[in-house]
Amino acid sequence: NAGVMQNPRHLVRRRGQEARLRCSPMKGHSHVYWYRQLPEEGLKFMVYLQKENIIDESGMPKERFSAEFPKEGPSILRIQQVVRGDSAAYFCASSPPGTNRDNEQFFGPGTRLTVL
Amino acid sequence: AQSVTQLDSHVSVSEGTPVLLRCNYSSSYSPSLFWYVQHPNKGLQLLLKYTSAATLVKGINGFEAEFKKSETSFHLTKPSAHMSDAAEYFCVVTTKAAGNKLTFGGGTRVLVKP
Repeated sequence: NAGVMQNPRHLVRRRGQEARLRCSPMKGHSHVYWYRQLPEEGLKFMVYLQKENIIDESGMPKERFSAEFPKEGPSILRIQQVVRGDSAAYFCASSPPGTNRDNEQFFGPGTRLTVL
Repeated sequence: AQSVTQLDSHVSVSEGTPVLLRCNYSSSYSPSLFWYVQHPNKGLQLLLKYTSAATLVKGINGFEAEFKKSETSFHLTKPSAHMSDAAEYFCVVTTKAAGNKLTFGGGTRVLVKP
């Protein structure tokens, strides 16, 4: 059973370009979470999605950031017109459907975004 | 609301000596608590979790943690450090009321000296 997969692992963009980060949850998982880790900091929640629905986006910046989890295919975190401050590691996590009794989330290896 | 405070940003130990990483939490509801480890430029690996069962939780690689409700603490320990334990460790809290949103502490970086 493959774990959570993220690609690309490393992404370099110039200021003003778009960044697309992909996350494939574990098999059978329908809940996806995105977290951002700025240099020398802990992870901060960004958004929680289920298939075709955004459940909680309270941690998403109001502009330039969006996320989706379509019926088919991976979850996408999209950052438009990137700025240097967007440079960070972006982690995706997934959990199974239904009542997640112990709230455990399974993390992917992360995508490290560098904005030049 | 929920929050986590890791009391030490850096811990340095000698190989073979005990490790103690301190974590205090705050939550309005019954918490689930986790410790994750992150090796340099790697993803997060779950060490152990507390979910309202036994208060002393054993994890992988010889780590364990004790949930103390009266002290709102969930400290992580290991009796004998190994060089491979050098990494960053995160204490994490969540509750059902938080919608499964994980709240991370600031992390403790562990250095193991030979």
